Amino acid sequence: DAGVIQSPRHEVTEMGQEVTLRCKPISGHDYLFWYRQTMMRGLELLIYFNNNVPIDDSGMPEDRFSAKMPNASFSTLKIQPSEPRDSAVYFCASSFRGGSGNTIYFGEGSWLTVV
Amino acid sequence: GEDVEQSLFLSVREGDSSVINCTYTDSSSTYLYWYKQEPGAGLQLLTYIFSNMDMKQDQRLTVLLNKKDKHLSLRIADTQTGDSAIYFCAERSGYSTLTFGKGTMLLVSP
Repeated sequence: DAGVIQSPRHEVTEMGQEVTLRCKPISGHDYLFWYRQTMMRGLELLIYFNNNVPIDDSGMPEDRFSAKMPNASFSTLKIQPSEPRDSAVYFCASSFRGGSGNTIYFGEGSWLTVV
Repeated sequence: GEDVEQSLFLSVREGDSSVINCTYTDSSSTYLYWYKQEPGAGLQLLTYIFSNMDMKQDQRLTVLLNKKDKHLSLRIADTQTGDSAIYFCAERSGYSTLTFGKGTMLLVSP
């Protein structure tokens, strides 16, 4: 079975440009998470969804960040306009309520560089 | 809020055992996890333990949980150079999100 799929894997963009990161969770999973990883702050939760509904977006840095989950198999994280301090690895993850160990499975990440 | 603490670095020789330690503060944690991250890669789940257990063994990995002291450890037996990576401890309460430690970098020398 395919794991969590993220795209793009790597993106380099100029400051001020819009960035859209995409995620396909594991089929059947009802929770989807977006995390950001930086050297300074480690792994931070940005937002998570349950059954396509945002549950907690308190980690979203500011209005430049937005996330959507239009259906159970797709989510996007958008940054507009992007800034150099947004450079990080963005991970999407998913889990299934009642799954073994309540485990959260991660994608390979989207490595974003804003210059 | 919840907090998870780990030591930042551990260096061992190939063939030795490695022990990575973690402490957490959330007494309502239901599951505790160990993830491994190799350079340039995502987070790979290694193992997890339910909070009412005190030990779990999975091949070369042994997880010990002291719930009273809120202390979790991961022991890797016969450590290999391929085990060099960053290891993250994480806790989860119910169906909420994971709270991660900052990660322990394990360096295995030949």
